[in-house]
Amino acid sequence: EVQLVESGGGLVQPGGSLRLSCAASEITFSFYWMTWVRQAPGKGLEWVANIKQDGGEKYYVDSVKGRFTISRDNAKNLLYLQMNSLRAEDTAVYYCARLASAVWYFDLWGRGTLVTVSS
Amino acid sequence: SYELIQPPSVSVSPGQTASITCSGDKLGDKYASWYQQKPGQSPVVVIYQDTKRPSGIPERFSGSNSGNTATLTISGTQAMDEADFYCQAWASSTAVFGGGTKLTVL
Repeated sequence: EVQLVESGGGLVQPGGSLRLSCAASEITFSFYWMTWVRQAPGKGLEWVANIKQDGGEKYYVDSVKGRFTISRDNAKNLLYLQMNSLRAEDTAVYYCARLASAVWYFDLWGRGTLVTVSS
Repeated sequence: SYELIQPPSVSVSPGQTASITCSGDKLGDKYASWYQQKPGQSPVVVIYQDTKRPSGIPERFSGSNSGNTATLTISGTQAMDEADFYCQAWASSTAVFGGGTKLTVL
């Protein structure tokens, strides 16, 4: 089945770190730009970061620059989001999503993993 | 930074036409996409590149984009269409989402 499955979420204290993973199944993972999008409880969608097929280009929303790092392992079909210096406002469901080639919309989404930053 | 503005809520009667707007500076010069999100579910794209529908999306969903406004139109709205809708565009390799519109089918 074609799917993306996120993992690694949980409860973390402010200032702490967490690494999210997204496992891709039945897709040619290395062909696609990949993305993390988050959604705070009861709020809207917020794009977090993008990574190019070969990992050579990465882009971040301003609020996470210097704290979060997106990466990928094409041999293992895995996307990562390393989150450091976490803040209460980072509390959200984090979705990984695939960017449809050449048309630049998010055509495949995971079910998300919840990150809660609280003491 | 680039912003997309949506009305927080839109109401429509079953069978009628719903229009959801998305405003941004020179948005018509960019491609707009629209995502539907039902409670407890992941978003699903309903319109991309302003007017295109992915396979499996009903024909009642259509889109337009000109000037500073993109519009998602749902013709013959059904109860199952009740959801949150988000517009999205690209600005300098970064994605921007609108704040979302809750569509209520009364």
